[in-house]
Amino acid sequence: ETGVTQTPRHLVMGMTNKKSLKCEQHLGHNAMYWYKQSAKKPLELMFVYSLEERVENNSVPSRFSPECPNSSHLFLHLHTLQPEDSALYLCASSQKKGGAQYFGPGTRLTVL
Amino acid sequence: GESVGLHLPTLSVQEGDNSIINCAYSNSASDYFIWYKQESGKGPQFIIDIRSNMDKRQGQRVTVLLNKTVKHLSLQIAATQPGDSAVYFCAEDFGNEKLTFGTGTRLTIIP
Repeated sequence: ETGVTQTPRHLVMGMTNKKSLKCEQHLGHNAMYWYKQSAKKPLELMFVYSLEERVENNSVPSRFSPECPNSSHLFLHLHTLQPEDSALYLCASSQKKGGAQYFGPGTRLTVL
Repeated sequence: GESVGLHLPTLSVQEGDNSIINCAYSNSASDYFIWYKQESGKGPQFIIDIRSNMDKRQGQRVTVLLNKTVKHLSLQIAATQPGDSAVYFCAEDFGNEKLTFGTGTRLTIIP
């Protein structure tokens, strides 16, 4: 595997479900990011991790909970989501905080 | 307030012609810019970047131009091909080590 991978690629969940999104980067980078991409809107930064420490939380609701166990892996735990949370969730990594970010293919999330 | 990426939402170009995609930004403190390409069903793909101490940077078939006087960034794609069809958006670092993204321009290649 090369670059940034994300699983699952598609996810449909009910509002009472709990699920997790997984991201793995194979680039040796030290910073990882979660973004939300909704139709016709710019990418919204959700969380930033640098050297496994959360350095940014952009006023994201607590129903989204990130986890970064090591510099290669990033998770986004989801619970009691709302239909308006349906979007493409993108993971990215960069060599250090700031600088060029490289994205995974995203998880298309639908909340029913 | 600050804004970035005041793109035209769509652009259609004849195959083989050159494409120019534009981006405006408002923060004069921005020191780093990136162009991304996003194809349908995929994540954004890094194309080329430029720092504010440069006016121009060239890659393979792509050129980025930075005009700091009017706060304008452009991406030029030479000899456009069908595979260039995608949404292109610029990203800007205000100097706070975070990227702020524009809404993008959808480039359609006409055969």
